Amino acid sequence: EVRLVESGGGLVQPGRSLRLSCSASGFTFDDYAMHWVRQAPGKGLEWVSGISWNSYDIVYADSVQGRFTISRDNAKNSLYLQMDSLRPEDTAFYYCTKDTATMITGGFDYWGQETLVTVSS
Amino acid sequence: SALTQPASVSGSPGQSITISCTGSSSDVGGYNYVSWYQQHPGKAPKLIIYDVTNRPSGISNRFSGSKSGSTASLTISGLQAEDEADFYCSSYTSASTVIFGGGTKLTVL
Repeated sequence: EVRLVESGGGLVQPGRSLRLSCSASGFTFDDYAMHWVRQAPGKGLEWVSGISWNSYDIVYADSVQGRFTISRDNAKNSLYLQMDSLRPEDTAFYYCTKDTATMITGGFDYWGQETLVTVSS
Repeated sequence: SALTQPASVSGSPGQSITISCTGSSSDVGGYNYVSWYQQHPGKAPKLIIYDVTNRPSGISNRFSGSKSGSTASLTISGLQAEDEADFYCSSYTSASTVIFGGGTKLTVL
């Protein structure tokens, strides 16, 4: 059974940092690209960032470019999102998702249970 | 900017409905990497169509996808009460990023 378990969310002040983690199991982690997708409360889905199986391809949404850093550790079956210079508009549920392919295609066939990030003073 | 979806659609049980997803030649029209997701309240989204027309294992064949030019479509046939949910499309883009549609709320009358 594929499982994606996020952690690291919480309440943080504007301008501060937070690091999300995602522990993956039930599939060969280094065979697939991975992504972070977020959803502000009551709003639609927003893709945040993606990383190919070998970390060679890394891409970000314009809204987080230069502030967020995605990474993965294939030896630990883990995905990360370092979020710096956080803004109130980053407040959202953050999902760790698995791509259907090795490279970034945007087909997210498995989703974690989400972790809530709240940016507020 | 986001792909364009109708805010809402509705249909009666047994009927068929279609949700459109309009982009541009830089996303939907340029790649066969369009996906559709169903999200029930309080739940994580579920992939129901990927690569324009493919259904993941376990997804009912009542769900089907297609594309014409820069517009992708999701058709649900034989509507059932449990189909009521929010639906989102997504596409790979020329910038190697991914973009979602704004979402469509499906109401089963």
